[in-house]
Amino acid sequence: GAGVSQTPSNKVTEKGKYVELRCDPISGHTALYWYRQSLGQGPEFLIYFQGTGAADDSGLPNDRFFAVRPEGSVSTLKIQRTERGDSAVYLCASSGTSGRSVNEQFFGPGTRLTVL
Amino acid sequence: GDSVTQMEGPVTLSEEAFLTINCTYTATGYPSLFWYVQYPGEGLQLLLKATKADDKGSNKGFEATYRKETTSFHLEKGSVQVSDSAVYFCALIPDTGRRALTFGSGTRLQVQP
Repeated sequence: GAGVSQTPSNKVTEKGKYVELRCDPISGHTALYWYRQSLGQGPEFLIYFQGTGAADDSGLPNDRFFAVRPEGSVSTLKIQRTERGDSAVYLCASSGTSGRSVNEQFFGPGTRLTVL
Repeated sequence: GDSVTQMEGPVTLSEEAFLTINCTYTATGYPSLFWYVQYPGEGLQLLLKATKADDKGSNKGFEATYRKETTSFHLEKGSVQVSDSAVYFCALIPDTGRRALTFGSGTRLQVQP
């Protein structure tokens, strides 16, 4: 079946602008994660959804970052007043919630965000 | 807090050479341990995992053993191929109920023909 998809694949914006990044998880996966990967680094956790609710948002760096998942499927990561330091690849992952699949996260290809 | 430390790259090997990429972790209890791989131009893929001490994860000729006594999960392959060239990430999920992966900084492997 289809994997995790993310749109857009690339986003270039200007400092101070608002951006939205979209994630479509694997069908049936109730857990969804957002990570951020800076150049030469490993991904860093931002937020985790279980169904429609944010179960853990401890990785969001500040209140300019917000994410929603209103129907328990597609999620949108929203960044207000973007800064040059927000430039990174934003990764989405999803996982099942039962048995052996609970810890296996499947990643999308990422959205490369560049803030000029 | 939890952390993962990997050997710095790049690691450059000739085809058919033996590969070891070191990974150590800091976490309480018994985390689940993972190796992810990122091939050029592709997304992160799970390579192998181990969920309890002394477990060995294996896939595509790669192996890693969960060593609680040394808090390590080193990745090994007996004979690398050019197609193994990629960035490898070691990661953990703690046994506290938190679901987020904590990643190391990644190790780039280049295999030359």
